[in-house]
Amino acid sequence: KQEVTQIPAALSVPEGENLVLNCSFTDSAIYNLQWFRQDPGKGLTSLLLIQSSQREQTSGRLNASLDKSSGRSTLYIAASQPGDSATYLCAVSNSGYALNFGKGTSLLVTP
Amino acid sequence: NAGVTQTPKFQVLKTGQSMTLQCAQDMNHEYMSWYRQDPGMGLRLIHYSVGAGITDQGEVPNGYNVSRSTTEDFPLRLLSAAPSQTSVYFCASKALATTYNEQFFGPGTRLTVL
Repeated sequence: KQEVTQIPAALSVPEGENLVLNCSFTDSAIYNLQWFRQDPGKGLTSLLLIQSSQREQTSGRLNASLDKSSGRSTLYIAASQPGDSATYLCAVSNSGYALNFGKGTSLLVTP
Repeated sequence: NAGVTQTPKFQVLKTGQSMTLQCAQDMNHEYMSWYRQDPGMGLRLIHYSVGAGITDQGEVPNGYNVSRSTTEDFPLRLLSAAPSQTSVYFCASKALATTYNEQFFGPGTRLTVL
């Protein structure tokens, strides 16, 4: 069974810092990996999706990388802002259908 | 497009009651699924469907039923609610006939079973 781990569980940084969120998975035969953002009491917003054949994806200040062989992905957030405060979820799909989620990293960016 | 919509937003049930959580999408997505989110557990797959008339079980299907009579709708039924089903329920959808398999999630239904 695919196990997805996110480290750290919580992170607090001052505004303006660059930061990295980590995601690891046990089965490297993945179809794709998706990063989501979840605000308190809200649904999931898709940030980036990386196909298994890709090494990275970028969207604005966000960059996600994928290393299938080592079972790792990172989400890099540049020049963090208080509005980036949220929980970030990593989800891996082995089939292209079901997602296996990590428990998330709770990020707080302080002014 | 409204995307993925879910109703109700909040619901309180008594043990043993039944109810249906509604999910609809207007993106003509073939694949739809239900997850539950519990503190410390992450999101877990309950049921999924790859098209009208086709459903299958996920990781935690016990106590839930689904059916898919149209492409747009994928309701989740709780037959006899139990306190262990207190959770936040999310519906998701994605297109199958594309290489870009991004999944889209609804806003969730927060269910409390007393």
